[in-house]
Amino acid sequence: DTAVSQTPKYLVTQMGNDKSIKCEQNLGHDTMYWYKQDSKKFLKIMFSYNNKELIINETVPNRFSPKSPDKAHLNLHINSLELGDSAVYFCASSQSVSYRNRRSSYEQYFGPGTRLTVT
Amino acid sequence: AQSVTQPDIHITVSEGASLELRCNYSYGATPYLFWYVQSPGQGLQLLLKYFSGDTLVQGIKGFEAEFKRSQSSFNLRKPSVHWSDAAEYFCAVGSYSGAGSYQLTFGKGTKLSVIP
Repeated sequence: DTAVSQTPKYLVTQMGNDKSIKCEQNLGHDTMYWYKQDSKKFLKIMFSYNNKELIINETVPNRFSPKSPDKAHLNLHINSLELGDSAVYFCASSQSVSYRNRRSSYEQYFGPGTRLTVT
Repeated sequence: AQSVTQPDIHITVSEGASLELRCNYSYGATPYLFWYVQSPGQGLQLLLKYFSGDTLVQGIKGFEAEFKRSQSSFNLRKPSVHWSDAAEYFCAVGSYSGAGSYQLTFGKGTKLSVIP
């Protein structure tokens, strides 16, 4: 069984369209993340989502919005796609960490990625 | 703000040779440190992590890394490289970001090529 899965694996679309990427984890984790990997392989956090509380990276345009129907899913919606949105998007999950036990070893497990190409 | 530097963009080694990938971090407190590997077209797989305790940590696939606080480094090593180790390697530092989550700040990666 795949721990963290994403669909689709490839997504090709035109500028201005709205698209979604789905993410599901079967690890029983309660925190999920989205990362963006650009053409130079640089990975950057976009969102963290835990117990209905969202932490947003301030550099992420508001065209991007995560939506979580339940603890096992965190989908990424992108409105009005732009050329610069072309990248590989990775979903990840982990156990939640309280500030008190933040030194506990909760590693993040990554999905296989979705390669988005905007033309 | 935290940051990670991987000074080597691309390293080529011969199969059977030893390997060291460098990682330097900047973080105000004692860091969580990670090494991930990404094979072509694949997601990221955790090789090893450091949270506290023994500064030499063992990981999967025969990899190890040593945390050196005085040098702000967390270098990855393997005594004998296999052709299947060819991949992109990412060092990351974790920081608590609130709401029960922590974010990973990644270095720009080191691409490892292995000559048969």
